[in-house]
Parts: sequence; structure tokens; C-alpha cells
Amino acid sequence: DSGVTQTPKHLITATGQRVTLRCSPRSGDLSVYWYQQSLDQGLQFLIQYYNGEERAKGNILERFSAQQFPDLHSELNLSSLELGDSALYFCASSPGGGRPYGYTFGSGTRLTVV
Amino acid sequence: AQTVTQSQPEMSVQEAETVTLSCTYDTSESNYYLFWYKQPPSRQMILVIRQEAYKQQNATENRFSVNFQKAAKSFSLKISDSQLGDTAMYFCAFLPYSGAGSYQLTFGKGTKLSVIP
Repeated sequence: DSGVTQTPKHLITATGQRVTLRCSPRSGDLSVYWYQQSLDQGLQFLIQYYNGEERAKGNILERFSAQQFPDLHSELNLSSLELGDSALYFCASSPGGGRPYGYTFGSGTRLTVV
Repeated sequence: AQTVTQSQPEMSVQEAETVTLSCTYDTSESNYYLFWYKQPPSRQMILVIRQEAYKQQNATENRFSVNFQKAAKSFSLKISDSQLGDTAMYFCAFLPYSGAGSYQLTFGKGTKLSVIP
């Protein structure tokens, strides 16, 4: 167990729907990162939050949004889903602030859009 | 922008033998970290080894070691005494360090390693 918890582990939904992926960071970590792993694009950085605020944004679609709550858990919202959004979505956390030691991944959420 | 290239999509090695996975990267950053992650069939991303660019000494973690050539922008992973549990996808990753607290990993496409009994 890495200490980073992602729920659900699997999600199957239809095109056009909206889903929410949840991530609880490792205890003490302030930064949360979201990554998408797909067969054609590989692993891509989506967005980072640090202590509740957005810190960096990568290749995240406008249909996707995220937030980090006061208890530091994070949610990634995916809307108007398309077949191409099917992927493995990883959350990672790190202590933040200084050097990026302890960058730890969760086990991922497998999203299948049908 | 950074790019990470893993030129070997698939490799295989006999159990107990040694194998080297290649990785090259392109960056204009001066401060950065390099990582190798392992992704077994369970799909968990597991950190194998980390190298800080300012350190000349190559990192080692038990059977895993790297050959870091900063001038050549090369970061290869050597696995000694390969074990069946080493069968996995291996990803090379780059992380620039600016001190601003934004730590985005850029990954290569991965190398699928199979350890043969």
C-alpha cells in the first residue's frame, strides 16, 4: 500500500456522462497530481494542486476539472465523456514545498467509456 | 518543454542475467531529477530508482543501478540478477526542479521487460 488511495478502482460509464474520481493523498502530503495513462498518449500530466490551490496545469481538457478540499483529498471531474477518455487515471502525492522527494502514486482508476 | 525517449519498446532477459534499459531526454533545464518507475500487471506505479542531476555519482538500489551521463542526456537502468518479479513495464521520467513547487513528471513511452525462466 503506497498510502495514496484512489476510488473507485474501476468505472464503466456511457458516452456523454459525468464521473468523479477521488484521491486521498499520503498522510502529510500537501500536493496532489493527476495523470492520465492511455494506450495512444502514454502517461500525461493533467493538473497539480498544492494545499488547496491549483499549482500547475498540463494537457487537461476543458471538459475535465479538479479541486482539492480542505482535508487535502482531491477529486477529478470528467464530463461529456467520449470513448477516447477511456484510460487509467492516476493520482500521486508529494510533500510539496521543497524538493520533490516521496512522489508516490496511487493504484489508479480504470475508466471505460462505452 | 522536455521530452523523454525510450527506444526499446520491448526487451527480454533470462532469469539471473543482466539487462540494461535505455532512456534519453532533452531539456534546457539545469536542475532536475530523473526516475525509473516500474508498472507490473497490477498497474501500480512503483518507484525503482531516482537520480538528482547535480549528483555525479550514479544511484543504486540493490539490484538496480543507473548510468547517468548528463552531457549526453542519457539515463539507462541496469537490472542485475533478473528475477521473474521484474517482469513489468518500465518508464523513464523527467522532473524539472525550479523551486517553485510545481513538479510535473514527463514520462517516456515505456519498455516492456519480460524475464524468462
